Amino acid sequence: DTGVSQDPRHKITKRGQNVTFRCDPISEHNRLYWYRQTLGQGPEFLTYFQNEAQLEKSRLLSDRFSAERPKGSFSTLEIQRTEQGDSAMYLCASSQGGQIYEQYFGPGTRLTVT
Amino acid sequence: GQQLNQSPQSMFIQEGEDVSMNCTSSSIFNTWLWYKQDPGEGPVLLIALYKAGELTSNGRLTAQFGITRKDSFLNISASIPSDVGIYFCAGQNNAGNMLTFGGGTRLMVKP
Repeated sequence: DTGVSQDPRHKITKRGQNVTFRCDPISEHNRLYWYRQTLGQGPEFLTYFQNEAQLEKSRLLSDRFSAERPKGSFSTLEIQRTEQGDSAMYLCASSQGGQIYEQYFGPGTRLTVT
Repeated sequence: GQQLNQSPQSMFIQEGEDVSMNCTSSSIFNTWLWYKQDPGEGPVLLIALYKAGELTSNGRLTAQFGITRKDSFLNISASIPSDVGIYFCAGQNNAGNMLTFGGGTRLMVKP
């Protein structure tokens, strides 16, 4: 069983540009989560989906951020008009079934805004 | 909002020594999870705890769910160089919902 995958692993962009990240969860996992992690800190929750429905959004998810999971499989996270403060590691996790408590993370996408 | 305080922030130990770290919360959690993160990678799940007072082992790792449901402990026995990394605790209120993470404990092991 393959793990959670994320693409790209690294992204460098100029301030003001839009970026989009992709996450592919573990197959048959119906819950998908996005977190953001800045240097020296633990991950912070952004949003999560159950199948295609977005069930919860953090206050960290400003209007410039949008996440989708159109077919209940992979998910995308878009950041519009990036700012230097958006520089962080964006982590995706998934969970499913009887062990639904357990979230398994992907390798992350490192975003650098110059 | 909820906050998890993890201590110590960092540890530098000799290979073969045992390690203890803990996590405390201002609020109750129903589930505690412990993760290890290597530089540039995502967190890897080590142990999950579901009941207050529960003690669970995974190889050389042992974790406990505090009886008050506001704390958890992780012990690593006979440390080895590959134990190097950052260890995070995470609490969860309800099944399937968001995780709240601590600030991490950076472990360094001297061969």
